Parts: sequence; C-alpha cells; structure tokens
Amino acid sequence: KQEVTQIPAALSVPEGENLVLNCSFTDSAIYNLQWFRQDPGKGLTSLLLIQSSQREQTSGRLNASLDKSSGRSTLYIAASQPGDSATYLCAVQGSNTGKLIFGQGTTLQVKP
Amino acid sequence: DAGVIQSPRHEVTEMGQEVTLRCKPISGHNSLFWYRQTMMRGLELLIYFNNNVPIDDSGMPEDRFSAKMPNASFSTLKIQPSEPRDSAVYFCASKQGDIRNQPQHFGDGTRLSIL
Repeated sequence: KQEVTQIPAALSVPEGENLVLNCSFTDSAIYNLQWFRQDPGKGLTSLLLIQSSQREQTSGRLNASLDKSSGRSTLYIAASQPGDSATYLCAVQGSNTGKLIFGQGTTLQVKP
Repeated sequence: DAGVIQSPRHEVTEMGQEVTLRCKPISGHNSLFWYRQTMMRGLELLIYFNNNVPIDDSGMPEDRFSAKMPNASFSTLKIQPSEPRDSAVYFCASKQGDIRNQPQHFGDGTRLSIL
C-alpha cells in the first residue's frame, strides 16, 4: 500500500530565504508526482506535475525534483515571499489507478 | 473558465439528516473525483468517475455514502443518514483527457458539520 510522508509538518522562515520541502513515498511504481498548494479555506491548486520519466519540473521560483528509485521528491522555493505562506501537499498517482495518494502536507509561514 | 464549482460552501445539520453535496466540473473535463479532508486522516479519495461512470469507489467509507454523476456537468455526493464523524471538508476535483498525466483542478470545498 502506497504511503506518502512529508517532512517537516510545519516550517517558518524569514522572507527571502530559499527553502526545501520534502516528500517520500513507499512504492516507486508511480505514474506521476504532483505538488499542490492549499490556502486556508480554499481548495488545492496544482503547482507542478512530474511524470515518472522526468527528473524535475520548474515554474517560476519553484523547482520540483523526483527520484523514483529512492522514493523521494523535493520542492525548492527560491527567494521566499510572505505570499508563499500556505500548506504544500505532495501526491503520487499509482500505476494501476487514477487515484492520488496525498501526504499530510507541510504548512509554511514566511515572515516579512 | 469558472473552475470547479461546489455547493453549498458550508452545511450544518443534525445527526440523522440527509446531506447532499453538489459539484459542477470544469467544462470539457471527463474525470471527476470526490475527496474528504480531516485533520486526523488528511485528504482521502472517496470515489472517482471517468466519462460519468464510477471507476473506483473503494474509498467510500460506508453504505451511508453514495455518489452519482448523471451527466458530464454535474455530480452529487449524498450521506444518509449523516453522523457527527462525517464532519469534514469535502472536495470535488476534475481533470481533462488521459487520467495519468493531467493535473486535477479542485473546487473550494464544502465544509460539513454534523451536530
């Protein structure tokens, strides 16, 4: 059974700092891995999707990497801003279903 | 594009009552997903549809839960009878095309409180 773990559960950093969020998964047989952002009281917004054949994806200040063999992904946020404050969730889509299995998320606070 | 639209945004009702949550997916999306989010269990997939047909309902917790998708632009999730442990935020999401490598688009959710 696929399990997704995110560390740390919460993170507080000063504005301008570069930071890394971690995601690990137990079953390497995945189609893709996705990173989402969730603001309080809102739904999830897709940030980046990495296909199983890819190593990384970039969008603006965000860069996500995938190492399938070790069951790990990282989300790198460059030059963090207070507007980046949110909960970040990673999710994996398995080989046999369309299901997304989510981690518990990392709640990020960027202080001005 | 209006995005995924869910209604109501908030629902407070008494135990034993029937609850119906509604979802309008993004036009052109042929896959629809219902999730439940709680502090204890995080985000869990309840059921998903492809081309209006239920594909996997293994996440539906009990027979009290049922979901329908009568057409490509509307889906409901019903709980009957409701219980306090059903209190959670319920999200609907939709995606386009091939199931595998397209991102899901989420609605803002329905916050359900069962008293």
